[in-house]
Amino acid sequence: DIVMTQGALPNPVPSGESASITCQSSKSLLHSNGKTYLNWYLQRPGQSPQLLIYWMSTRASGVSDRFSGSGSGTDFTLKISSVEAEDVGVYYCQQFLEYPLTFGSGTKLEIK
Amino acid sequence: EVQLVETGGGLVQPGRSLKLSCVASGFTFNNYWMSWTRQAPGKGLEWVASITNSGGSTYYPDSVKGRFTISRDNAQNTLYLQMNSLRSEDTATYYCTRGGMDAWGQGASVTVSS
Repeated sequence: DIVMTQGALPNPVPSGESASITCQSSKSLLHSNGKTYLNWYLQRPGQSPQLLIYWMSTRASGVSDRFSGSGSGTDFTLKISSVEAEDVGVYYCQQFLEYPLTFGSGTKLEIK
Repeated sequence: EVQLVETGGGLVQPGRSLKLSCVASGFTFNNYWMSWTRQAPGKGLEWVASITNSGGSTYYPDSVKGRFTISRDNAQNTLYLQMNSLRSEDTATYYCTRGGMDAWGQGASVTVSS
């Protein structure tokens, strides 16, 4: 199984500052078709998760351009520029290159 | 508006069965693969099952393979998860998700306890 490992944030993050969340996969998620099979999700307190980023760097519909995804085949970063109160929650990365689909353990973002 | 509404959760004894349903609306259901993902209390996300848009192929992690069955009724725009031989570690909120998990339901709570 592909293991997804997420880094922690130095919480709380001051409002208006940027925050970067890291995710590492145990196997390259870069497919021969040139696409990287990585998603990012945000789960706000008490809510269902929502998709933020797919194919490593494409924002989902309606997602603020303050969110951006980048990376290589095994190392990925979700950057949130100018964090706001509504960004509070747990962020998950997920690989969908192969079954079983696997998630990282989550990274909690708190705002100061 | 895309909507996914799960029902069928509840309290069940270990070893018993439970069937979850997810009614989809706001999109063409039979165009999309569908999945179930769960979240144990205070824990992270775990993928549980996926099914192709026709229902012809299904996929499961080892943790539920042989116990859970995902199915769909495209005429009724409904996704199902039949859960047999339930264990305490299956206690979780179960989410219905569309395709590449770009839409999630509100979740159905399942508690396995005697």
